[in-house]
Amino acid sequence: DAKTTQPTSMDCAEGRAANLPCNHSTISGNEYVYWYRQIHSQGPQYIIHGLKNNETNEMASLIITEDRKSSTLILPHATLRDTAVYYCIVKKGDYKLSFGAGTTVTVRA
Amino acid sequence: AAGVIQSPRHLIKEKRETATLKCYPIPRHDTVYWYQQGPGQDPQFLISFYEKMQSDKGSIPDRFSAQQFSDYHSELNMSSLELGDSALYFCASSFEETQYFGPGTRLLVL
Repeated sequence: DAKTTQPTSMDCAEGRAANLPCNHSTISGNEYVYWYRQIHSQGPQYIIHGLKNNETNEMASLIITEDRKSSTLILPHATLRDTAVYYCIVKKGDYKLSFGAGTTVTVRA
Repeated sequence: AAGVIQSPRHLIKEKRETATLKCYPIPRHDTVYWYQQGPGQDPQFLISFYEKMQSDKGSIPDRFSAQQFSDYHSELNMSSLELGDSALYFCASSFEETQYFGPGTRLLVL
């Protein structure tokens, strides 16, 4: 599976949009970009995934660049409950998830 | 919506004892994954099963074994427990490609 690079940490103001970048320059054509988050020792929570097109659901939006070498997860209106470690993971099919270091996002009031 | 169920949620064992962790996938999910998360670490893949057959294997110690049963639930058996086995153990299930995680079992080995 392709490796990803994320910032170690970032702060966000409550009510503002949080934009989380992820680089995956070695992604292959059949690999999806997945985002999960983990709120303090809880089970990782699925957020969103995409292959080529931008995706949006009730939690977030995923913007994937045309060359697919990077992506951005957007939390449109961050709340204190969005404080978590966010993982960007590239994988194909029904394969395992390879968690990297992730980005620790702290939402401040 | 139904979620992945794991039991027990907490477990305390002595060194050299055995432990069995159970995972009940979301209904109609046919694939189960096990992950281990040590203190301050990120989750690491252990093993997965698809339709009751082992589908992938990660860095799972030989002391650990797992299986998936006909009702799709899975059990992770851990023998000769060591202090270093203290961790959170997560189970995830999927039907196609997206994995959904359970709340985890916190294992403490004394």
